Amino acid sequence: AQSVTQPDIHITVSEGASLELRCNYSYGATPYLFWYVQSPGQGLQLLLKYFSGDTLVQGIKGFEAEFKRSQSSFNLRKPSVHWSDAAEYFCAVGALGYSTLTFGKGTMLLVSP
Amino acid sequence: DAGITQSPRHKVTETGTPVTLRCHQTENHRYMYWYRQDPGHGLRLIHYSYGVKDTDKGEVSDGYSVSRSKTEDFLLTLESATSSQTSVYFCAISESMGRNTGELFFGEGSRLTVL
Repeated sequence: AQSVTQPDIHITVSEGASLELRCNYSYGATPYLFWYVQSPGQGLQLLLKYFSGDTLVQGIKGFEAEFKRSQSSFNLRKPSVHWSDAAEYFCAVGALGYSTLTFGKGTMLLVSP
Repeated sequence: DAGITQSPRHKVTETGTPVTLRCHQTENHRYMYWYRQDPGHGLRLIHYSYGVKDTDKGEVSDGYSVSRSKTEDFLLTLESATSSQTSVYFCAISESMGRNTGELFFGEGSRLTVL
């Protein structure tokens, strides 16, 4: 079975500082990996996804993530955080032949002035 | 944005009453899902559908049933609501889950309060 761990429940970052949100997954074969963002009162929006190929993937809003098989990780990064990035971020894992995604419990990002 | 409409968006009901949430899509996607979101638990899958009249259980399916009689509609029913089912419910759709383009598109959620 697949599982996803997001070790940080909350993270506070100063505006303009860099950001890294951690995601670790458990799955035997090559996973499909996703990062979603949820603004308050909204549904989830896809930021980026990894299926195969280049392990560094670019997403919307200036986000990127790197797949590291040796560490079973798919960490989300942004070089300079804006106040509008304050939201909850979810990592998810799927796989070829699976009909569902498994989500982590989320990391709430707070941006301080 | 994907054409997903959830109704109702907000509902308050009493313990023991039946509740049905509706998800309607205009994308003609094959897969439809119901998740619930609770603080500290993230999103947990309740049920999903991989075609008309084809459904399967997720990790938190007890107390819930679903139906899909048309491609565009996926109904989630709480036969007898309990306070533990107070939550925000999200519908999601996917065209090709499990293949190389598989991703989920989410509705805006339905907030259910059971008193």
